[in-house]
Amino acid sequence: QKEVEQNSGPLSVPEGAIASLNCTYSDRGSQSFFWYRQYSGKSPELIMFIYSNGDKEDGRFTAQLNKASQYVSLLIRDSQPSDSATYLCAVRGTGRRALTFGSGTRLQVQP
Amino acid sequence: DTAVSQTPKYLVTQMGNDKSIKCEQNLGHDTMYWYKQDSKKFLKIMFSYNNKELIINETVPNRFSPKSPDKAHLNLHINSLELGDSAVYFCASSQVKSAEQYFGPGTRLTVT
Repeated sequence: QKEVEQNSGPLSVPEGAIASLNCTYSDRGSQSFFWYRQYSGKSPELIMFIYSNGDKEDGRFTAQLNKASQYVSLLIRDSQPSDSATYLCAVRGTGRRALTFGSGTRLQVQP
Repeated sequence: DTAVSQTPKYLVTQMGNDKSIKCEQNLGHDTMYWYKQDSKKFLKIMFSYNNKELIINETVPNRFSPKSPDKAHLNLHINSLELGDSAVYFCASSQVKSAEQYFGPGTRLTVT
């Protein structure tokens, strides 16, 4: 079982729709969860982080964390073509300083 | 101002050569990292330094040697380059009390 799992996609949504990206993790003691956006040929860009169960909203982005289910998600409202990228889920595991990344979900927003 | 910078951006070299990649951050962070992203886009930690002290050393061939002259700089030297070393190498930094990491632009290494 991979430590951090994501559906590779592509996830295709029409412009203006809500894109829902999901991630599961295996280390039950993990405390910190991150979403990075990576455009092709570019570096990962931190867009959201969440440490507590529940929802955290920042503009069009909402991160959701359910530690009991070991599940973290990212919702992107009013999706724009410029949101088309690979979204990486990252988890800081128990006693670890480095992040463990999922393989990423490629999102395509159709104009 | 660039927060985390890396040089060079591209590196093309032949098998058996030795090369170095440099990283600098001006965020005032005390922890720096090297990650490798392979052709399948999987991003994996290699090393981490906190205040010039090596704190993470994942299972990486000893041909790879990181060095941190101060907490704002982290370099990666690779000896006897192999074809499988071809990848994008990312530097990142964070505060030790915070897990939020910020990445540099990456160095695309191609070994021929």
